[in-house]
Amino acid sequence: AQSVTQPDIHITVSEGASLELRCNYSYGATPYLFWYVQSPGQGLQLLLKYFSGDTLVQGIKGFEAEFKRSQSSFNLRKPSVHWSDAAEYFCAVGAGGGYQKVTFGTGTKLQVIP
Amino acid sequence: EAGVAQSPRYKIIEKRQSVAFWCNPISGHATLYWYQQILGQGPKLLIQFQNNGVVDDSQLPKDRFSAERLKGVDSTLKIQPAKLEDSAVYLCASSVAHSKNIQYFGAGTRLSVL
Repeated sequence: AQSVTQPDIHITVSEGASLELRCNYSYGATPYLFWYVQSPGQGLQLLLKYFSGDTLVQGIKGFEAEFKRSQSSFNLRKPSVHWSDAAEYFCAVGAGGGYQKVTFGTGTKLQVIP
Repeated sequence: EAGVAQSPRYKIIEKRQSVAFWCNPISGHATLYWYQQILGQGPKLLIQFQNNGVVDDSQLPKDRFSAERLKGVDSTLKIQPAKLEDSAVYLCASSVAHSKNIQYFGAGTRLSVL
């Protein structure tokens, strides 16, 4: 069964600073990987996804993530954080094939200080 | 394109009462998911439909939870009777069949069981 670990429950960064959110996954084959963002009182919005090919993927709102098979990681990065990025971020791993199960991590809450 | 619609947004009930949530997925999306998100945790899949058939309900507490998706479009999730530990946000998501797991989420229903 697939699983996802987000080791950081809460991260605080200053506005304008760089950001990296960690994600480690466990899956027997090549996974489908996702990052979602959830603002308070809202559903989850897809930031970016990795299926295959180029291991550095670009997403919306200036985010990017890098797939590293050797480390089973898919860390999310942003070079300069804006106050509006304060939210909760979820990494997820999906199984391929006709049965599209997705497993979510426990999330990392991002606080941005001015 | 309209997103995933959920209602109500908020619900407060007493334990042992019943409650129902409604979800209308994005038009044309064959796959519909119900997730439970407890405060501080990631979404946990309760049930997944492909058209009007159940693909996965392994984590659905079937003694109290039920769900249906009549005609393969909108869906209802019911809890009867509710327990205190059912307090959570219930998220509905939908995806195009065989779309590599890209799911689109509604804003959710926040349930408080007193």
